[in-house]
Amino acid sequence: GAVVSQHPSRVICKSGTSVKIECRSLDFQATTMFWYRQFPKQSLMLMATSNEGSKATYEQGVEKDKFLINHASLTLSTLTVTSAHPEDSSFYICSASVGVWGTEAFFGQGTRLTVV
Amino acid sequence: DAKTTQPNSMESNEEEPVHLPCNHSTISGTDYIHWYRQLPSQGPEYVIHGLTSNVNNRMASLAIAEDRKSSTLILHRATLRDAAVYYCILAYPGGGADGLTFGKGTHLIIQP
Repeated sequence: GAVVSQHPSRVICKSGTSVKIECRSLDFQATTMFWYRQFPKQSLMLMATSNEGSKATYEQGVEKDKFLINHASLTLSTLTVTSAHPEDSSFYICSASVGVWGTEAFFGQGTRLTVV
Repeated sequence: DAKTTQPNSMESNEEEPVHLPCNHSTISGTDYIHWYRQLPSQGPEYVIHGLTSNVNNRMASLAIAEDRKSSTLILHRATLRDAAVYYCILAYPGGGADGLTFGKGTHLIIQP
């Protein structure tokens, strides 16, 4: 099956700094990618939809100025957590499908962000 | 997205079959039934999906009720590596346009 790769898998940053997470589709092109967040012992929550060449669409309650998404190519989407605070510590996961009509979503391995 | 209901947790013994139920009484005619699983500290992994007919693949089988208001994921011979949270999700066709809505899932515990 198709592969989605995330980097880094784990990052620790100081409060007030920014962190960039990369999501790549390795063997297919993805016009649309999705970013999820998962707090401990909770389920995944969709944060935003990343569209190649256009602005991301954010779910209600997600601050677009805090979570910057860039989808500059058909194989790369990035999520930047700006001015991170301890409450932003979470597991961030991206996904993509092969086309919007794909019947299977491929997920990255996730990024564990810890803000100290 | 239509809502699904799953038991919070289930326990089974290694090498025995496991039946994971999911209720989706408000499913629409175009919703596909998807199952994903998430191992600890990893992203979710696709397991299987179906629309109306029962489906089989190398990982599992999916049994869909005739009225489509419920389904059951069947692991034919569970191993310790099958211990994970299993999510039953409705999407059209696979969430490629709108993403997926995850419920709480079922935490499957496998006893050796």
